[in-house]
Amino acid sequence: DAGITQSPRHKVTETGTPVTLRCHQTENHRYMYWYRQDPGHGLRLIHYSYGVKDTDKGEVSDGYSVSRSKTEDFLLTLESATSSQTSVYFCAIRSGGGYEQYFGPGTRLTVT
Amino acid sequence: GIQVEQSPPDLILQEGANSTLRCNFSDSVNNLQWFHQNPWGQLINLFYIPSGTKQNGRLSATTVATERYSLLYISSSQTTDSGVYFCAVANPGTASKLTFGTGTRLQVTL
Repeated sequence: DAGITQSPRHKVTETGTPVTLRCHQTENHRYMYWYRQDPGHGLRLIHYSYGVKDTDKGEVSDGYSVSRSKTEDFLLTLESATSSQTSVYFCAIRSGGGYEQYFGPGTRLTVT
Repeated sequence: GIQVEQSPPDLILQEGANSTLRCNFSDSVNNLQWFHQNPWGQLINLFYIPSGTKQNGRLSATTVATERYSLLYISSSQTTDSGVYFCAVANPGTASKLTFGTGTRLQVTL
């Protein structure tokens, strides 16, 4: 257990509404990541952070923004949710001693 | 970007059987991880193995970095081994951004 929590765990929202997902870690890890998982695609990187206020895009960043105002929290925002953003979202941290990543429990988001 | 291929895509085993899962990747890596996603969706770390061999109980893994592949061995399989096994890799100097394969779905039957 790498001390990662995600909230909410489940959410149903309507097309066009804004949505924010939260990832919280308790162990002061510098690197944090957001991935999405869809059938047939495995997990794909959306955005990542390498420190407070330091973020960068991943493979599938269109339609998403992120923020990291303090070490322990990494927020993922869908400014205007679309049905194609229905997915399971996972947050991850990189362990301080190396490159290994650990994942949170996931958030299942349904956009109707 | 780096490509990751896993085989086989699906596998059905009887309890007690052994299996080998393969992960091929297209470029040099400084991170290779194997994960088990259980039926509840949780991603469980199995191995961090950018090179060499490791063992943990009934599971072992080998990565031959020079030939760009990794193998996950499951011996004496149990029903609790069912789920999806993912291989994920990262290139050096890329902030450890993981690229995942599409997984091997394993079903262990009684």
